[in-house]
Amino acid sequence: NAGVTQTPKFRVLKTGQSMTLLCAQDMNHEYMYWYRQDPGMGLRLIHYSVGEGTTAKGEVPDGYNVSRLKKQNFLLGLESAAPSQTSVYFCASSVPGISGTTYNEQFFGPGTRLTVL
Amino acid sequence: SQQGEEDPQALSIQEGENATMNCSYKTSINNLQWYRQNSGRGLVHLILIRSNEREKHSGRLRVTLDTSKKSSSLLITASRAADTASYFCATDVRFGNEKLTFGTGTRLTIIP
Repeated sequence: NAGVTQTPKFRVLKTGQSMTLLCAQDMNHEYMYWYRQDPGMGLRLIHYSVGEGTTAKGEVPDGYNVSRLKKQNFLLGLESAAPSQTSVYFCASSVPGISGTTYNEQFFGPGTRLTVL
Repeated sequence: SQQGEEDPQALSIQEGENATMNCSYKTSINNLQWYRQNSGRGLVHLILIRSNEREKHSGRLRVTLDTSKKSSSLLITASRAADTASYFCATDVRFGNEKLTFGTGTRLTIIP
């Protein structure tokens, strides 16, 4: 199994450009997540999905959109990139926990390093 | 705001010594998890401890949880150079949701 994969690994954008980051998982996980990681800030949740066709906002959703058309894929879009979106983006997936209220481990992809000039 | 805060922010020890890092959180939780991140890589799950557990072991890892103090510690015994990484605690929120909140991490350096 490949686990969680992310495409692309690196990208440089100019301010105002758009792009889509792709996350794919082959573990049949229900839950998927997008995080950004900035120096000294830890991981912050952007958006997440608890199943195909459903998405929800996380801690820092502004400037991003997501879609979960297929269970194995979770796309993160930047419609008009800004320098403040320079970051490392991680996708993760997990199974629902016991009774839906306790959560199992999250499996992370290798990350996408995005620079917005 | 961060739910979990690790302490110290950075730690350097000699190979073979034990490393201890701490995590404090603010609200009641269902469980607490620890993750490791090697430089330039994604996070890898190490261990999960539930709110009704006080201590858990996995190989050279020992995790404790004190819900009255809202704190957890991760002990790595007999450290190795390969343990050099950043370590993060992550908590969910009791009566909450499907999300985890990660701390800012402890950067551990093992000196050969």
